[in-house]
Amino acid sequence: QVQLVESGGGVAQPGTSLRLSCAASGFSFRTYTMHWVRQAPGQGLEWVAVTSYDGRYIAYADSVNGRFTISRDNSEDTLYLQMNSLRLEDTAVYYCAKAKYEKVLAHWGQGTLVTVSS
Amino acid sequence: HSALTQPASVSGSPGQPVTISCTATISDSNSVYYISWYQRRPGKAPKLLVFDVNNRPSGVSDRFSGSKSDNTASLTISPLQTEDEGDYYCGSYTGNSVVFFGGGTRLTVL
Repeated sequence: QVQLVESGGGVAQPGTSLRLSCAASGFSFRTYTMHWVRQAPGQGLEWVAVTSYDGRYIAYADSVNGRFTISRDNSEDTLYLQMNSLRLEDTAVYYCAKAKYEKVLAHWGQGTLVTVSS
Repeated sequence: HSALTQPASVSGSPGQPVTISCTATISDSNSVYYISWYQRRPGKAPKLLVFDVNNRPSGVSDRFSGSKSDNTASLTISPLQTEDEGDYYCGSYTGNSVVFFGGGTRLTVL
């Protein structure tokens, strides 16, 4: 069955960087659009970024554009989120999600917690 | 700017139906045609319940159903069960695969 396992979260200081990974299994990773979504403490879901199956199309939420980079390695079945210039407001649980029809978030991982604190 | 508005909370008793609404802003009323519903239970990963207004993925209970009227989509859970308690989000998308969510609705089973 579809399995998505995020890793790489932790505590980071403002202005520093973290890289999240999402290991995929149980489906043909290279043929699916993938997304990152986050949920800050006590807040709702916030979409972060999307990459097409081949990485040629990428889009970001305004709140992270220019600071975060989504990428994928189809040979390793892994999705990444490089987060630079972290801010306090980036504190959240980050989920990767496999898309259905590119824009419906059909399967989600358990998430990884990122805490930005000085 | 796209926006989806949900009630902050709803409640219901086991065995009864409960409905959660999701209203699209007039300026982006087309987004209601692409509404998905997600369930977020404590300690669990978010789960897709309904997509494109009223389609259920395989494996999702038929107690969950979606509908639309004008610029408002709705998720109905019937009959309600105690395990349904949690947060529910509607979501939609724009033509360039940008996804956006409603603010979420906390469902309490009385």
